[in-house]
Amino acid sequence: AQSVSQHNHHVILSEAASLELGCNYSYGGTVNLFWYVQYPGQHLQLLLKYFSGDPLVKGIKGFEAEFIKSKFSFNLRKPSVQWSDTAEYFCAVTPMDTGRRALTFGSGTRLQVQP
Amino acid sequence: GAVVSQHPSRVICKSGTSVKIECRSLDFQATTMFWYRQFPKQSLMLMATSNEGSKATYEQGVEKDKFLINHASLTLSTLTVTSAHPEDSSFYICSASRGAVAGYTFGSGTRLTVV
Repeated sequence: AQSVSQHNHHVILSEAASLELGCNYSYGGTVNLFWYVQYPGQHLQLLLKYFSGDPLVKGIKGFEAEFIKSKFSFNLRKPSVQWSDTAEYFCAVTPMDTGRRALTFGSGTRLQVQP
Repeated sequence: GAVVSQHPSRVICKSGTSVKIECRSLDFQATTMFWYRQFPKQSLMLMATSNEGSKATYEQGVEKDKFLINHASLTLSTLTVTSAHPEDSSFYICSASRGAVAGYTFGSGTRLTVV
């Protein structure tokens, strides 16, 4: 079965700082990869996803992620964070080569951006 | 865009009673819906996958007789927590799939408190 690891549990940054959140997955086959954001009191929203093609994926709100197959990683980046980026961020994976379609989530990273 | 409506958003019930949570896809047909449970400061844990017109597939360790899932139509799935106990208190989130490429849409969640 697949699993997802997010090593940063709580990140505190100042506005305009650069952000990189780590995500590693364990699965030997082909996967679809996702980053979701959960703002306080709101539902999960998709930031970006990778299915195939260019391993550098651009998402909404200036976020991007790079899929490095050899490292089983899909790290999320943003060059300059804003106070409004304060939220919980989840990395998720689903295998492409099985009938299982449910997402497996990482434990999440709480990002706190200080003005 | 695709919207998933989940109700109620918050419910408090007495121990021993049952609670029903509804998840509706408002503007698309969801052949598959997923139910997750999220503990405080933890990730989303998949409870079950439901396909319209068939029995739900439960994850290991999830009691199917306690967490009844019904997916009677392409736009509605329900989760009933039967004979609820305080340890069932949690945040329950549904997700609807529009197909492998289209991705997943999440409901806003239901905070269940059993007293």
